[in-house]
Amino acid sequence: KQEVTQIPAALSVPEGENLVLNCSFTDSAIYNLQWFRQDPGKGLTSLLLIQSSQREQTSGRLNASLDKSSGRSTLYIAASQPGDSATYLCAVGPFTGANSKLTFGKGITLSVRP
Amino acid sequence: DTAVSQTPKYLVTQMGNDKSIKCEQNLGHDTMYWYKQDSKKFLKIMFSYNNKELIINETVPNRFSPKSPDKAHLNLHINSLELGDSAVYFCASSRSTTPYEQYFGPGTRLTVT
Repeated sequence: KQEVTQIPAALSVPEGENLVLNCSFTDSAIYNLQWFRQDPGKGLTSLLLIQSSQREQTSGRLNASLDKSSGRSTLYIAASQPGDSATYLCAVGPFTGANSKLTFGKGITLSVRP
Repeated sequence: DTAVSQTPKYLVTQMGNDKSIKCEQNLGHDTMYWYKQDSKKFLKIMFSYNNKELIINETVPNRFSPKSPDKAHLNLHINSLELGDSAVYFCASSRSTTPYEQYFGPGTRLTVT
């Protein structure tokens, strides 16, 4: 059974700092990995999707990497801003067919202090 | 133009009542999902439909019954509501059963009193 862990549960950093959010998973047989952002009281917004054959994906100040063999992914946020404050969740998609479903971590709540 | 929409956004009701949450997506996706996010913010899948066919049914009480009248809609009906049903329910969609990128609705916060 796939388990996804995100540690720490919360993180507070000063504005402008570069930071890394970690995600680990127990079963390396994954199809892809997604990073989401959730603002308080809001739904999830997909940030980056990495296919199992890829090592990283970039979007603006965000860079996500994937190391399947070690069961790890990182989300790098450059030059953090107060607007980046949110909960960041990672989710892995299994390498199966019709019964595919994402397994989510519990998220990291990020606070960027002005 | 909202991609995945849910109604209502908030739902407050008493124990024992029956309620429904509606979801619609205009992305042309053929797979839709219901997730439950509990008070500890843990997000877990409940159901998944592909082309109106149920393909994932997690260990969910049978008081919960999803219905998909067409590919663009997936509704969730809950009978005999209990206190433990209080949570945020998210609808999502993707273009296939393979775990392609999923798009989430804004959520419905259900409070059972």
